[in-house]
Amino acid sequence: AQSVTQLDSQVPVFEEAPVELRCNYSSSVSVYLFWYVQYPNQGLQLLLKYLSGSTLVKGINGFEAEFNKSQTSFHLRKPSVHISDTAEYFCAVSGTTSGGSYIPTFGRGTSLIVHP
Amino acid sequence: SQTIHQWPATLVQPVGSPLSLECTVEGTSNPNLYWYRQAAGRGLQLLFYSVGIGQISSEVPQNLSASRPQDRQFILSSKKLLLSDSGFYLCAWKKALLQGGYTFGSGTRLTVV
Repeated sequence: AQSVTQLDSQVPVFEEAPVELRCNYSSSVSVYLFWYVQYPNQGLQLLLKYLSGSTLVKGINGFEAEFNKSQTSFHLRKPSVHISDTAEYFCAVSGTTSGGSYIPTFGRGTSLIVHP
Repeated sequence: SQTIHQWPATLVQPVGSPLSLECTVEGTSNPNLYWYRQAAGRGLQLLFYSVGIGQISSEVPQNLSASRPQDRQFILSSKKLLLSDSGFYLCAWKKALLQGGYTFGSGTRLTVV
């Protein structure tokens, strides 16, 4: 079984400040990790993903995340946030199921609130 | 390029009425298709997924059902809505048997009154 914990339900930050959204996972198989962003009343959009290779993954909108296997973490970071980054962020983990369907498990989400 | 369409965007339905939400994908074949429900502050709950026409897997027992009558069409239905069916419903797809992220539709906000 796999699970995802997003440690912060809400992260307030001032514009142009750095931000880190935390994600820890548990899984008994090799994992694939994802971060999604959701703007109000919209679907989720893939920010970045870790499948294999370099543990530092760069995504869209200046976000990056680092896969840390020993700490079972996949924290999302951005060095300088904008007002437009205000949104809900979801971490997800997937591994191979018996049917090979790679169905991910999502965290409960972190609301990033950027203040001017 | 691939696109996913989901409609309607919003829906207000009385308790006991039927429901039909539709999702279609363009620009790909044999996608894996998914229906999720999102309740406020509770993340995403997988309702159904399908790996092929007529193949539906249900993740949770509930008042809803799903069908896949065509390769790129996924329908979420209910015969009689409950108040607890209110929520934000999201359709998603990904390439079959490949690891990678989902592409989500824009969602349907369902309010049962």
